[in-house]
Amino acid sequence: DAGVIQSPRHEVTEMGQEVTLRCKPISGHDYLFWYRQTMMRGLELLIYFNNNVPIDDSGMPEDRFSAKMPNASFSTLKIQPSEPRDSAVYFCASSLLGSSYNEQFFGPGTRLTVL
Amino acid sequence: KNEVEQSPQNLTAQEGEFITINCSYSVGISALHWLQQHPGGGIVSLFMLSSGKKKHGRLIATINIQEKHSSLHITASHPRDSAVYICAVSHYGGSQGNLIFGKGTKLSVKP
Repeated sequence: DAGVIQSPRHEVTEMGQEVTLRCKPISGHDYLFWYRQTMMRGLELLIYFNNNVPIDDSGMPEDRFSAKMPNASFSTLKIQPSEPRDSAVYFCASSLLGSSYNEQFFGPGTRLTVL
Repeated sequence: KNEVEQSPQNLTAQEGEFITINCSYSVGISALHWLQQHPGGGIVSLFMLSSGKKKHGRLIATINIQEKHSSLHITASHPRDSAVYICAVSHYGGSQGNLIFGKGTKLSVKP
């Protein structure tokens, strides 16, 4: 398995533009997580899905952020409109509940810079 | 006060030294995770534990539920161990995937 795949790896955009980050979880995993990492706040959970259904989106900073998981193999995190303070590394992770070791597997991250 | 505290924030060691990174938490947990973030940014899960001790190669993780404390030990440290080590807890009674993260410990092992 190729692991969790994220695209793009780097994104530079201007304030006000729409940004879409993409994630393909590990096949067969039933949980998908979106995290944001900044120097100031470290890693933070934004939202997570179980079987494609959003379970907890309390970490989503504001209405400019939205996430979808239309099927088991694809999820998007959208920021519209983007702001400079959204600059961060965004990680997607997946896991399989019920395995003896409920490990989360992280993607390589998307480094977002909003100018 | 952060719910998950790590110490030290930064650690420099000489190759071969025994290293200990500490994690204290203030909430009830169902599990504690140790993650490793490489200089390139990738994150790898090292351990998930809810009691006792786990060992993987030169890495050992322990947890004391009563004291709400966990340690990550690295024996015979090597420059390739240089990374940020992050402690995270699964909050008991919280959503299954809701991890609370520490700020990380940046380890640098000199040859």
